[in-house]
Amino acid sequence: DIQMTQSPSSLSAYVGDRVMISCRASQSIGIYLNWYQQKPGKVPKLLIYGASNLQSGVPSRFSGSGSGTDFTLTISSLQPEDFATYYCQQSYTTPQNTFGQGTKLEIK
Amino acid sequence: EVQLLESGGGLVQPGGSLRLSCVASGFTFSSYPMTWVRQAPGKGLEWVSAISGTGAGTYYAGSVKGRFTISRDNSKNTVFLQMNNLRAEDTAVYYCANTAMMTFGGVIVPSDYWGQGTLVTVSS
Repeated sequence: DIQMTQSPSSLSAYVGDRVMISCRASQSIGIYLNWYQQKPGKVPKLLIYGASNLQSGVPSRFSGSGSGTDFTLTISSLQPEDFATYYCQQSYTTPQNTFGQGTKLEIK
Repeated sequence: EVQLLESGGGLVQPGGSLRLSCVASGFTFSSYPMTWVRQAPGKGLEWVSAISGTGAGTYYAGSVKGRFTISRDNSKNTVFLQMNNLRAEDTAVYYCANTAMMTFGGVIVPSDYWGQGTLVTVSS
């Protein structure tokens, strides 16, 4: 099974900051990497698919990069509504799409 | 509008069984694989199981393999998760989801549809 490891597990930042969250796969997954955002009490929301494709309706301050085993989600200028938990997910072995453990982004 | 409506959650004793159902609408159900994802209280997302559009292919996380069975009835736009020999660590909100990444002409067309979840509590 492919293991997904995110870092950091939690992160504090100010509104306006540039934030980067990393995700590493235990083996090469090409660009089959997705990013989700989840707010408390809500279902997850797809932000990025195929490593760098912005899902329709998602603000352009979100971007994704990487290939192979190392990926990054970047938020260029944090907004108050961006404080949430972020998950990476590999879809290389779809439909067995495993998640990372999550990164909780909190307000500093 | 796509809708996914789960049911069947509840309180069950360790070793017991539950059957979750998820009724879908708003898309061509038989064309998409369907997935169950769970989230234990205060924890992260865990992929549990998936089934191909035809039902011929079924897939399980190691933590549930041999205890859970996924199935679907395309005539009723419904996917099921039969959970047997339940353990305390199976306590979670279970989400039914269509998160397929379909490729058409080399272009990835993502799906991002989730039910609201059904809570399964395993406790004596």
